Amino acid sequence: GESVGLHLPTLSVQEGDNSIINCAYSNSASDYFIWYKQESGKGPQFIIDIRSNMDKRQGQRVTVLLNKTVKHLSLQIAATQPGDSAVYFCAELVDGNKLVFGAGTILRVKS
Amino acid sequence: DTGVSQDPRHKITKRGQNVTFRCDPISEHNRLYWYRQTLGQGPEFLTYFQNEAQLEKSRLLSDRFSAERPKGSFSTLEIQRTEQGDSAMYLCASSLHNEEKLFFGSGTQLSVL
Repeated sequence: GESVGLHLPTLSVQEGDNSIINCAYSNSASDYFIWYKQESGKGPQFIIDIRSNMDKRQGQRVTVLLNKTVKHLSLQIAATQPGDSAVYFCAELVDGNKLVFGAGTILRVKS
Repeated sequence: DTGVSQDPRHKITKRGQNVTFRCDPISEHNRLYWYRQTLGQGPEFLTYFQNEAQLEKSRLLSDRFSAERPKGSFSTLEIQRTEQGDSAMYLCASSLHNEEKLFFGSGTQLSVL
């Protein structure tokens, strides 16, 4: 899940296993959510997004699940690879015009 | 490479100096955003433009910070009288006006000594 401060939650997975990264959002009025991946020294890179009229959306090796009842978002990565190691951020669209980010989760993939 | 360019990639300055960063968005994108990111945190919204109009500024944004997008293309972010607390990664992002997805540049890492 997300947390505030310098100690980001860390998920360590074995190469080839599936990863699940969780995020709690705050604004029940948000109708758009998005996941980004950020590697060291780079800007955030888009992974997948979802609107509030959906509860699941699939991409290539990634799936986003949205539970509006408990304001929870998750990112599932299938067959995790070493190149998936990064910090993952969820974000929600606020006021219809800006993305508000959570603090992030570190994903470490062990070979 | 998303197509959003930021310059410089790194900037080291002394406290009290002014610094200016530049962002070149994806050419057809009319929305441009500035975010700030400190170690261990997610990006924090600073301000955004639609074309040349600055439509919103974060309440957290000090009056030492100013951003411009004079011709609706590139943008500059200036920080006057820098403080050590300004040390952060400054990220620029752009989007089409009818899309929520932002494309980020690689950022400018500012270190204030």
